[in-house]
This record gives sequence, structure tokens and C-alpha cells, in this order.
Amino acid sequence: DAKTTQPTSMDCAEGRAANLPCNHSTISGNEYVYWYRQIHSQGPQYIIHGLKNNETNEMASLIITEDRKSSTLILPHATLRDTAVYYCIVRPGGAMDSSYKLIFGSGTRLLVRP
Amino acid sequence: EAEVAQSPRYKITEKSQAVAFWCDPISGHATLYWYRQILGQGPELLVQFQDESVVDDSQLPKDRFSAERLKGVDSTLKIQPAELGDSAMYLCASSPGLRETQYFGPGTRLLVL
Repeated sequence: DAKTTQPTSMDCAEGRAANLPCNHSTISGNEYVYWYRQIHSQGPQYIIHGLKNNETNEMASLIITEDRKSSTLILPHATLRDTAVYYCIVRPGGAMDSSYKLIFGSGTRLLVRP
Repeated sequence: EAEVAQSPRYKITEKSQAVAFWCDPISGHATLYWYRQILGQGPELLVQFQDESVVDDSQLPKDRFSAERLKGVDSTLKIQPAELGDSAMYLCASSPGLRETQYFGPGTRLLVL
């Protein structure tokens, strides 16, 4: 299973963009990059996922490098409610893997400052 | 917006007692997951169902933990007997199918005294 590396913690000012990096240098060609976040005492919340191309939805943008060895989650205008632990996960894939389980690391603790 | 439901939200029990957690996935979701999250760590998969069948229970401590999804809809996770080290958040997630995005419920926080 591909492993991810994220900074332990980050902070940004409210209203500014939050850019959360993730390294996944051992990712395989058929593995997706998923991002979840977990606000204190709640269940993880799905944010976005991608394979090769950059992706955008109402919550965030995901930028994946051309070699797929790293990615960045962008929250364009961070609010206080975006304070959470952000998990970057490479999801095992492929026809022979029937589990498709998510393997969570320690994530990045993002603090949005007023 | 459809959500995964879990109950109870909080449970306090004494060691050696039995506890049970319930999960109702998003309607129509065939795949259901139970995760355990120890304080300060990321969630870890305990068991995964596809409809009523277990797909992966390799990390489930089968001497004390059991899980079932008899009709392929809602699911129950049981611990008997509970131990102090079982104190954690128990999370349920569901997805339309095996390869699709998982959506998590609010979790059940268990404290074993």
C-alpha cells in the first residue's frame, strides 16, 4: 500500500488560501489520491479525490503533480470552521484487491486563525 | 443530504461487560465499513461488508469482537467482554460499491472503565 507523508501541523489566516501538501512517492498507476478531514469529535468528512488530473468541487481543489508523487489540497478561502485534521490517503486499487480500504495516517492539523 | 446514522453516540461501560453499536448506512449503499479510532490516531479498518458478506475482517479481534449485517442493510458491531484498551471512537462508513467513495457517520465514542 502506498504511504503518504504530510506535515504534522499548519496554520493560515482566515480568508486566505490554505495549501496542504502531501507526498506519495510510491503511488501506483491505478491508485487514487483521496482527501478527508475530521473536525474535532466528528466522523471523517470526504473532501475530494483524483487520479491524474486536477479536480475542483465546492469544497476544495486538488492539484496532482504530473509524476503523481505529490499533491496539494487547496481551500481557497479558509474559514474558522475549516480548522480540522486533514488526511491524504492513497487508496489501494486494482482488480485483485477486493478490500479498497482507506489507510489513514496521522494527517495534518490545520488551524485557521482569526 | 443522506447520512450514515450511528447509535449510541456515547457509551460508558465497565470492563468485562458487553457493548453493541449500530450503524444504518446511506440508503442503497452496498458496502459498509467499521473503523476504530484511538485518540490521537487515524481510523483503522476493523471489518468490511459487501451486502451481507464479510470482505475483510483481518484486523478484527475475533476473540472478543463480532460484526454482522444480516439483511445487507444495517449492521451491528459487538464487543464481549470489553477491555480497557477498547476505549476509542467506533466509526461506520458506507459506499455505493467496493471501489467508490466512503462516507462516514458521526461515530460512537466508547469509554471502558
